[in-house]
Amino acid sequence: QVQLQESGPGLVKPSDTLSLTCVVSGYSISSSSNWWGWIRQPPGKGLEWIGYIYFDGSTHYNPSLKSRVTMSIDTSKNHFSLKLTSVTAVDTAVYYCAKKLTSKTWFDPWGQGTLVTVSS
Amino acid sequence: QSALTQPASVSGSPGQSITISCTGTTSDVGAYNYVSWYQQHPGKAPKLMIYEVSNRPSGVSHRFSGSKSGNTASLTISGLQAEDESDYYCSSYTSSDSYVFGTGTKVTVL
Repeated sequence: QVQLQESGPGLVKPSDTLSLTCVVSGYSISSSSNWWGWIRQPPGKGLEWIGYIYFDGSTHYNPSLKSRVTMSIDTSKNHFSLKLTSVTAVDTAVYYCAKKLTSKTWFDPWGQGTLVTVSS
Repeated sequence: QSALTQPASVSGSPGQSITISCTGTTSDVGAYNYVSWYQQHPGKAPKLMIYEVSNRPSGVSHRFSGSKSGNTASLTISGLQAEDESDYYCSSYTSSDSYVFGTGTKVTVL
Protein backbone atom coordinates (compact mmCIF):
# COMPACT_ATOMS: atom_id res chain seq x y z
CA GLN A 1 0.00 0.00 0.00
CA VAL A 2 1.52 3.28 -1.09
CA GLN A 3 2.05 5.91 1.58
CA LEU A 4 3.36 9.45 1.27
CA GLN A 5 4.90 11.57 4.00
CA GLU A 6 5.86 15.23 3.73
CA SER A 7 8.71 16.77 5.69
CA GLY A 8 10.45 20.11 5.94
CA PRO A 9 10.74 23.30 7.99
CA GLY A 10 7.51 24.49 9.53
CA LEU A 11 8.62 28.11 9.54
CA VAL A 12 10.13 30.05 6.64
CA LYS A 13 11.06 33.73 6.56
CA PRO A 14 9.57 36.08 3.97
CA SER A 15 11.61 36.23 0.74
CA ASP A 16 13.29 32.90 1.57
CA THR A 17 12.83 29.58 -0.21
CA LEU A 18 10.39 26.98 1.03
CA SER A 19 11.75 23.43 0.66
CA LEU A 20 9.76 20.26 1.25
CA THR A 21 10.33 16.57 0.60
CA CYS A 22 7.81 13.79 0.14
CA VAL A 23 8.99 10.28 0.97
CA VAL A 24 7.08 7.50 -0.75
CA SER A 25 6.86 4.06 0.85
CA GLY A 26 5.32 0.83 -0.37
CA TYR A 27 5.75 1.79 -4.01
CA SER A 28 8.60 2.56 -6.37
CA ILE A 29 8.71 6.17 -7.43
CA SER A 30 10.51 5.00 -10.57
CA SER A 31 7.32 3.49 -11.95
CA SER A 32 6.24 5.00 -15.25
CA SER A 33 2.62 4.65 -14.14
CA ASN A 34 2.54 7.76 -12.01
CA TRP A 35 3.18 11.42 -11.61
CA TRP A 36 3.97 12.82 -8.16
CA GLY A 37 2.27 16.03 -7.18
CA TRP A 38 2.02 18.86 -4.71
CA ILE A 39 -1.17 20.60 -3.59
CA ARG A 40 -1.49 23.25 -0.89
CA GLN A 41 -4.25 24.59 1.34
CA PRO A 42 -4.02 27.93 3.18
CA PRO A 43 -5.52 27.75 6.68
CA GLY A 44 -9.31 27.71 6.47
CA LYS A 45 -9.27 27.93 2.69
CA GLY A 46 -9.52 25.73 -0.37
CA LEU A 47 -7.03 23.58 -2.24
CA GLU A 48 -4.60 24.79 -4.90
CA TRP A 49 -2.73 22.55 -7.32
CA ILE A 50 0.99 23.39 -7.43
CA GLY A 51 2.28 20.87 -9.96
CA TYR A 52 3.69 17.38 -10.45
CA ILE A 53 6.81 15.55 -11.56
CA TYR A 54 7.48 12.33 -13.44
CA PHE A 55 10.15 9.74 -12.59
CA ASP A 56 12.32 11.02 -15.45
CA GLY A 57 12.27 14.56 -14.08
CA SER A 58 9.60 15.94 -16.40
CA THR A 59 7.50 18.55 -14.66
CA HIS A 60 4.21 20.36 -15.04
CA TYR A 61 3.49 23.43 -12.93
CA ASN A 62 0.51 25.64 -12.15
CA PRO A 63 1.00 28.69 -14.40
CA SER A 64 0.27 31.01 -11.49
CA LEU A 65 3.21 29.62 -9.52
CA LYS A 66 5.49 28.50 -12.33
CA SER A 67 8.01 31.31 -11.97
CA ARG A 68 8.71 30.39 -8.34
CA VAL A 69 8.38 26.60 -8.32
CA THR A 70 10.95 23.89 -8.87
CA MET A 71 10.31 20.21 -8.35
CA SER A 72 12.87 17.45 -8.34
CA ILE A 73 12.89 13.70 -7.88
CA ASP A 74 15.40 11.27 -6.39
CA THR A 75 14.57 7.72 -7.40
CA SER A 76 17.45 6.30 -5.35
CA LYS A 77 15.85 7.65 -2.17
CA ASN A 78 12.29 7.16 -3.39
CA HIS A 79 11.36 10.74 -2.71
CA PHE A 80 10.53 13.94 -4.53
CA SER A 81 10.85 17.57 -3.53
CA LEU A 82 9.33 21.01 -3.86
CA LYS A 83 11.05 24.38 -3.76
CA LEU A 84 9.10 27.63 -3.74
CA THR A 85 11.14 30.80 -3.89
CA SER A 86 10.48 34.34 -2.68
CA VAL A 87 7.76 33.29 -0.27
CA THR A 88 5.37 35.72 1.38
CA ALA A 89 2.61 35.32 3.94
CA VAL A 90 0.19 34.20 1.24
CA ASP A 91 2.28 31.05 0.82
CA THR A 92 1.42 29.99 4.37
CA ALA A 93 -0.45 26.72 3.92
CA VAL A 94 -0.61 23.03 4.56
CA TYR A 95 1.36 21.41 1.76
CA TYR A 96 0.29 17.97 0.59
CA CYS A 97 2.04 15.54 -1.71
CA ALA A 98 -0.03 13.07 -3.70
CA LYS A 99 0.15 10.41 -6.38
CA LYS A 100 -1.49 10.78 -9.80
CA LEU A 101 -1.77 7.95 -12.26
CA THR A 102 -0.35 8.72 -15.67
CA SER A 103 -3.07 9.88 -18.07
CA LYS A 104 -5.57 10.13 -15.21
CA THR A 105 -6.91 13.27 -13.61
CA TRP A 106 -7.26 12.60 -9.92
CA PHE A 107 -4.91 12.50 -6.96
CA ASP A 108 -4.84 9.44 -4.73
CA PRO A 109 -3.55 8.89 -2.15
CA TRP A 110 -2.39 12.02 -0.39
CA GLY A 111 0.17 12.50 2.34
CA GLN A 112 -0.97 13.77 5.73
CA GLY A 113 0.25 17.28 4.91
CA THR A 114 2.68 19.62 6.59
CA LEU A 115 2.00 23.18 7.70
CA VAL A 116 4.45 25.79 6.51
CA THR A 117 4.16 29.24 8.02
CA VAL A 118 5.84 32.20 6.39
CA SER A 119 6.76 34.72 9.05
CA SER A 120 9.73 36.70 10.28
CA GLN B 1 -7.82 30.07 -13.35
CA SER B 2 -10.64 30.78 -10.93
CA ALA B 3 -11.74 28.25 -8.34
CA LEU B 4 -14.83 26.23 -9.09
CA THR B 5 -17.91 27.47 -7.23
CA GLN B 6 -19.43 25.34 -4.49
CA PRO B 7 -22.02 26.23 -1.84
CA ALA B 8 -20.32 27.08 1.43
CA SER B 9 -22.51 24.71 3.39
CA VAL B 10 -25.11 22.00 2.97
CA SER B 11 -26.94 20.21 5.74
CA GLY B 12 -29.30 17.31 6.13
CA SER B 13 -30.75 14.92 8.65
CA PRO B 14 -29.56 11.34 9.03
CA GLY B 15 -31.00 9.16 6.29
CA GLN B 16 -31.71 12.05 3.95
CA SER B 17 -30.00 12.76 0.65
CA ILE B 18 -28.05 15.91 -0.08
CA THR B 19 -26.44 17.25 -3.22
CA ILE B 20 -23.39 19.48 -3.53
CA SER B 21 -22.95 21.46 -6.72
CA CYS B 22 -19.70 22.44 -8.38
CA THR B 23 -19.95 25.08 -11.08
CA GLY B 24 -17.17 25.82 -13.51
CA THR B 25 -16.86 26.95 -17.10
CA THR B 26 -16.60 25.59 -20.61
CA SER B 27 -12.84 25.46 -20.05
CA ASP B 28 -12.94 23.02 -17.16
CA VAL B 29 -16.04 21.22 -15.85
CA GLY B 30 -17.94 21.69 -19.12
CA ALA B 31 -15.02 20.67 -21.29
CA TYR B 32 -14.20 17.22 -19.97
CA ASN B 33 -15.56 14.38 -17.89
CA TYR B 34 -12.61 14.86 -15.57
CA VAL B 35 -14.28 15.97 -12.37
CA SER B 36 -13.25 14.39 -9.10
CA TRP B 37 -14.50 14.83 -5.55
CA TYR B 38 -12.59 14.72 -2.26
CA GLN B 39 -13.72 14.38 1.34
CA GLN B 40 -11.65 16.13 3.99
CA HIS B 41 -12.19 15.68 7.68
CA PRO B 42 -10.75 18.41 9.94
CA GLY B 43 -6.99 18.20 10.16
CA LYS B 44 -6.84 15.30 7.74
CA ALA B 45 -5.72 14.82 4.17
CA PRO B 46 -8.30 14.83 1.38
CA LYS B 47 -9.67 11.44 0.39
CA LEU B 48 -10.77 10.63 -3.14
CA MET B 49 -14.50 9.85 -3.28
CA ILE B 50 -15.40 10.16 -6.97
CA TYR B 51 -13.30 10.33 -10.14
CA GLU B 52 -14.18 11.06 -13.77
CA VAL B 53 -17.55 12.53 -12.76
CA SER B 54 -19.26 9.38 -11.51
CA ASN B 55 -16.80 6.61 -10.71
CA ARG B 56 -16.26 5.40 -7.15
CA PRO B 57 -12.86 4.09 -6.05
CA SER B 58 -12.77 0.75 -4.35
CA GLY B 59 -13.80 1.08 -0.73
CA VAL B 60 -15.97 4.18 -1.11
CA SER B 61 -19.57 3.71 -0.04
CA HIS B 62 -22.24 3.32 -2.73
CA ARG B 63 -24.07 6.14 -0.95
CA PHE B 64 -21.78 8.55 -2.78
CA SER B 65 -22.57 9.29 -6.41
CA GLY B 66 -21.57 11.90 -8.94
CA SER B 67 -23.03 13.43 -12.07
CA LYS B 68 -22.55 16.34 -14.43
CA SER B 69 -24.69 18.58 -16.59
CA GLY B 70 -23.09 21.27 -18.69
CA ASN B 71 -20.71 23.31 -16.57
CA THR B 72 -21.98 21.98 -13.25
CA ALA B 73 -21.00 18.76 -11.55
CA SER B 74 -22.77 17.35 -8.51
CA LEU B 75 -22.01 15.03 -5.64
CA THR B 76 -24.95 13.30 -3.99
CA ILE B 77 -24.77 11.60 -0.62
CA SER B 78 -27.67 9.26 0.00
CA GLY B 79 -28.69 7.90 3.38
CA LEU B 80 -26.73 10.61 5.15
CA GLN B 81 -24.74 9.38 8.15
CA ALA B 82 -22.97 11.18 10.97
CA GLU B 83 -19.61 10.09 9.57
CA ASP B 84 -20.33 12.00 6.35
CA GLU B 85 -20.00 15.30 8.20
CA SER B 86 -16.93 16.77 6.55
CA ASP B 87 -15.66 19.24 3.97
CA TYR B 88 -15.99 18.29 0.32
CA TYR B 89 -14.02 19.64 -2.63
CA CYS B 90 -14.51 19.14 -6.32
CA SER B 91 -11.68 19.30 -8.83
CA SER B 92 -11.49 19.51 -12.59
CA TYR B 93 -8.87 19.16 -15.25
CA THR B 94 -8.78 22.27 -17.44
CA SER B 95 -8.14 23.20 -21.06
CA SER B 96 -4.93 24.87 -19.87
CA ASP B 97 -3.62 21.42 -18.95
CA SER B 98 -3.86 22.25 -15.27
CA TYR B 99 -6.12 21.48 -12.32
CA VAL B 100 -8.56 23.64 -10.43
CA PHE B 101 -10.33 22.89 -7.17
CA GLY B 102 -13.66 24.05 -5.85
CA THR B 103 -14.20 26.50 -3.03
CA GLY B 104 -15.27 23.72 -0.71
CA THR B 105 -18.54 22.74 0.97
CA LYS B 106 -19.05 21.97 4.63
CA VAL B 107 -21.58 19.20 5.10
CA THR B 108 -23.40 19.17 8.42
CA VAL B 109 -25.48 16.25 9.63
CA LEU B 110 -28.27 17.66 11.77
